[in-house]
This record gives sequence, structure tokens and C-alpha cells, in this order.
Amino acid sequence: AQSVAQPEDQVNVAEGNPLTVKCTYSVSGNPYLFWYVQYPNRGLQFLLKYITGDNLVKGSYGFEAEFNKSQTSFHLKKPSALVSDSALYFCAVRDMGGDFNKFYFGSGTKLNVKP
Amino acid sequence: GAVVSQHPSWVICKSGTSVKIECRSLDFQATTMFWYRQFPKQSLMLMATSNEGSKATYEQGVEKDKFLINHASLTLSTLTVTSAHPEDSSFYICSAGQGGRSNQPQHFGDGTRLSIL
Repeated sequence: AQSVAQPEDQVNVAEGNPLTVKCTYSVSGNPYLFWYVQYPNRGLQFLLKYITGDNLVKGSYGFEAEFNKSQTSFHLKKPSALVSDSALYFCAVRDMGGDFNKFYFGSGTKLNVKP
Repeated sequence: GAVVSQHPSWVICKSGTSVKIECRSLDFQATTMFWYRQFPKQSLMLMATSNEGSKATYEQGVEKDKFLINHASLTLSTLTVTSAHPEDSSFYICSAGQGGRSNQPQHFGDGTRLSIL
């Protein structure tokens, strides 16, 4: 079975500082990993994905994520946080072994960026 | 980019009412769409997988007679909450992927806030 874990319910950073939102995964085969962001009362917006290739993946709004196979992690990062980055972030893994390629989401991490 | 439209965005209705939520892929065809439920401060819970032209596949614990799903075309899936009660109040979100390719992201609707009085 596939699963992802986001160990932090909340992350607080000051504007201009680097941010990291953690994610670890468990898969039986090759992982297809994704990061999404959710603003209040909205659906999820796609940020970036890792399928294969370079371990450092660049995505939307200046975000990037580093795939680390040995640590089974896929942490989301940004060099300089903005107040507007404050939102709920979800890590997800796609089940390649089952039907319909379901997505499995982590529990979410609330990012608070303070001015 | 791919856009998924979900309607309505907010519903308030009396207990016992049936509510229909629509999910449309606006610029691509989706043979499969997913319906999720999200409780406050919690992650998304997959309810069912909607398949164009066939029956939906429900996750364990989700009542298929309570949450009726119809995927009548390649661009439209509907979720009907039948005889809704206050415990059905939640945020419902649909998603769809382009072409069914597994390495592509799902695109999400903006969700429907359902409040049952």
C-alpha cells in the first residue's frame, strides 16, 4: 500500500526566511510524488511533481522539492518565504499498482508566514 | 492549463433534501474523476472513483446509496447527496486528470461547502 506522512501539523516562518515542509513516503514500487497547496475554501492547486530524473524538482511560485530515495523523503522548500505563501500544503503519492491510479494524500501542513 | 469547474460552491439546505454537485473538466476529457470529502483541518478522504460510462467505485465505508455518482460524459461527473443530514455537512472536492496518464497531476475543482441545517 502507498502512503505519505507529513510529520508537522504547522510550520511557522518569518517572511524572507527559507521554508521547508516535510514529507516522507512509503511505496512498493517507483514513487510518483506530488505537492499541492490549498487556500481557504478552495480546491487544491498543483505545485510540482517527481516522476523520474533530477532529484531537485522546481515548481510553481518559486517552490522546489528534493527527492531523497534513501530517506524516502520529498520535502518542499522555498528559499525566501512570502506572506502570501501562507496556506495548507499537501504531499501526495500515486498508487501505480491499483486501479485508476488513486492519489493518497498526507494529513496536510499549515504554513504560516509572518511579516 | 487544465481547468476543473465545480458547482455550486456553497449550499445550505434543510435536512432531508437531496443535493447535486457537478464537476466539469472544461478543456479536456476525463474518463476518470475522483470525489473527496474534507473535514475541517483534516486531509482529503477519497470517497469514490467516478468512471465514464460505468458504475463508480466506492471506498470502504462510503455508502453508495447515500452518495450517488453519475459520470454521464467525458467532461461531467455528478455527486448527489441523498436525503442529506447534518452529519453530511462537509467540504466536497472533485478532481480529474488529463488522458488518464498516471504521471500527470490531478486538477481539482474549487470545492463545494455543504451545510445541512
